[in-house]
Amino acid sequence: QKEVEQNSGPLSVPEGAIASLNCTYSDRGSQSFFWYRQYSGKSPELIMFIYSNGDKEDGRFTAQLNKASQYVSLLIRDSQPSDSATYLCAVKGYNFNKFYFGSGTKLNVKP
Amino acid sequence: GAVVSQHPSWVICKSGTSVKIECRSLDFQATTMFWYRQFPKQSLMLMATSNEGSKATYEQGVEKDKFLINHASLTLSTLTVTSAHPEDSSFYICSARVRGAPTTGELFFGEGSRLTVL
Repeated sequence: QKEVEQNSGPLSVPEGAIASLNCTYSDRGSQSFFWYRQYSGKSPELIMFIYSNGDKEDGRFTAQLNKASQYVSLLIRDSQPSDSATYLCAVKGYNFNKFYFGSGTKLNVKP
Repeated sequence: GAVVSQHPSWVICKSGTSVKIECRSLDFQATTMFWYRQFPKQSLMLMATSNEGSKATYEQGVEKDKFLINHASLTLSTLTVTSAHPEDSSFYICSARVRGAPTTGELFFGEGSRLTVL
């Protein structure tokens, strides 16, 4: 079983819609959870992190964490074509130095 | 966010040669840097953890004699791919965590180095 699992997609949404990206993790001791965006040929850039159960909002982005279900999600409101990228879910495990990345979900926002 | 600079951004070399990639934290000190490798359409795979002033910690399956890591200062880590072969062609990305970062300890990534071995 992989440490972090994501649906590879692609997920296609029309411009202006809400994109919902999901991630599950296996280590119940995981402490912090991150969403990175990666454009093709580029390195990842941090969008948000969350470490408490519930929702965390930052502009058009909302991260949701449910530790009981070992589930973290990212919602993108008013999706724009520039949001088209691969979104990586990362989980920081019990070992402070260990970050585990999911395989990423490719998002396509159609104009 | 913190800035991590990686150089070169791309390199083409002949099989059997060695290639050095530098990773610098520009506006912060990084006691720990991480080296990842990413093949096309795949996720990031952690290769090793680079600790300033001590030996790197390699992930299982990563040859430490082939991928030499040196973390000589709080702002610089280098990855040397020795005797490179075509199968080593990949996107190599370094990342760092700000020293004294809060418990979330988010990673900041360099721009990545695309290595092509002919």
